[in-house]
Amino acid sequence: DAGVIQSPRHEVTEMGQEVTLRCKPISGHNSLFWYRQTMMRGLELLIYFNNNVPIDDSGMPEDRFSAKMPNASFSTLKIQPSEPRDSAVYFCASSLFRGPTNEKLLFGSGTQLSVL
Amino acid sequence: AQSVTQLDSQVPVFEEAPVELRCNYSSSVSVYLFWYVQYPNQGLQLLLKYLSGSTLVKGINGFEAEFNKSQTSFHLRKPSVHISDTAEYFCAVINSGGYQKVTFGTGTKLQVIP
Repeated sequence: DAGVIQSPRHEVTEMGQEVTLRCKPISGHNSLFWYRQTMMRGLELLIYFNNNVPIDDSGMPEDRFSAKMPNASFSTLKIQPSEPRDSAVYFCASSLFRGPTNEKLLFGSGTQLSVL
Repeated sequence: AQSVTQLDSQVPVFEEAPVELRCNYSSSVSVYLFWYVQYPNQGLQLLLKYLSGSTLVKGINGFEAEFNKSQTSFHLRKPSVHISDTAEYFCAVINSGGYQKVTFGTGTKLQVIP
């Protein structure tokens, strides 16, 4: 397996534009997480899906953020409109949850987002 | 709610010296504990985990960690570090049962000095 694949690796956009980040989890994994990493706040969990269903989106900062998982092999994180404070590295991670816990999250390489 | 505290944001250590990275957690229920490592420009990788059983767990690259329930700690140790261990290390916790929310600490940057 190629691992968790995120695209794009880098995104530079202007304030107000729509940004879509993409993630392909590892085949067979049933849990998917979106994280945001900044120097100030560290790693923040934005949203968690299990079996394609959003379980907890309490970490999504505002209504400008939305995430979807239309099937087991694809997820998107959309920011509309984007703002400079959204600049961060966004990570997608997937895991196989068989109980009692998500033992091993496998992370993608991240998307470096810069909003000018 | 669960939380993780990594008090040391940066730890410099000379090559071949021992190192301990500290992690304390807070939770109202029993937990599972993890250490992840992040090399520059990469995602996080699992280093080791504690789910149950022996409180001393061994991970990859010669790292080990000890779960101490009374002190709510899960410190990471290595007896002799190498230049290649220079990275950022994250402690993480999941509450047992129910929703599988993984909460990470703020990370500790380990800088190995030649």
